[in-house]
Amino acid sequence: DADVTQTPRNRITKTGKRIMLECSQTKGHDRMYWYRQDPGLGLRLIYYSFDVKDINKGEISDGYSVSRQAQAKFSLSLESAIPNQTALYFCATSDNGQKNIQYFGAGTRLSVL
Amino acid sequence: DQQVKQNSPSLSVQEGRISILNCDYTNSMFDYFLWYKKYPAEGPTFLISISSIKDKNEDGRFTVFLNKSAKHLSLHIVPSQPGDSAVYFCAASALGYGGSQGNLIFGKGTKLSVKP
Repeated sequence: DADVTQTPRNRITKTGKRIMLECSQTKGHDRMYWYRQDPGLGLRLIYYSFDVKDINKGEISDGYSVSRQAQAKFSLSLESAIPNQTALYFCATSDNGQKNIQYFGAGTRLSVL
Repeated sequence: DQQVKQNSPSLSVQEGRISILNCDYTNSMFDYFLWYKKYPAEGPTFLISISSIKDKNEDGRFTVFLNKSAKHLSLHIVPSQPGDSAVYFCAASALGYGGSQGNLIFGKGTKLSVKP
């Protein structure tokens, strides 16, 4: 089983719908992240959480919200999806060590029509 | 403004030859650099890293070089193999400053194609 699991892997939704992407990890890491990848734009940070009680906005948080339900679970919500949120979404985890090596899930491909 | 730049969107190399992927950065606070590899339909996977106190780090066929004065790093793959064909992301962080400064800033990626 993967250390960082994202569900669903693919999702097609309509404009205005609420959608939740889920991430769970078995690495025992405190830190979790949500990124978005668009063609030609690399990975951009949406939200991050250093522990269960800590939630922080990243570079592109507008239109998104998150919930850290437990150390192992970090979900990303689009309250009212819009077409320009069509992208590949990645969850990642890291420990609190000196090297911020992040471990990524396989991604969720989201299409908003 | 991009703090981490990978100016070559793609690179094609013959099998057995050297692949050199380049990355430039602008933030002098960055003190830790990483390379990730990404295959289609998979998440990025960590490949190799280097701290700013070093100028070279080697792991098998992969070597990363850091030139702090030029704010430039490069990833060398020798010899290149068809299985190395992937998108490579350069990432940087200001680990020594703690907190959110340690978050990774990614470049846009370079797609490497290694031809048999």
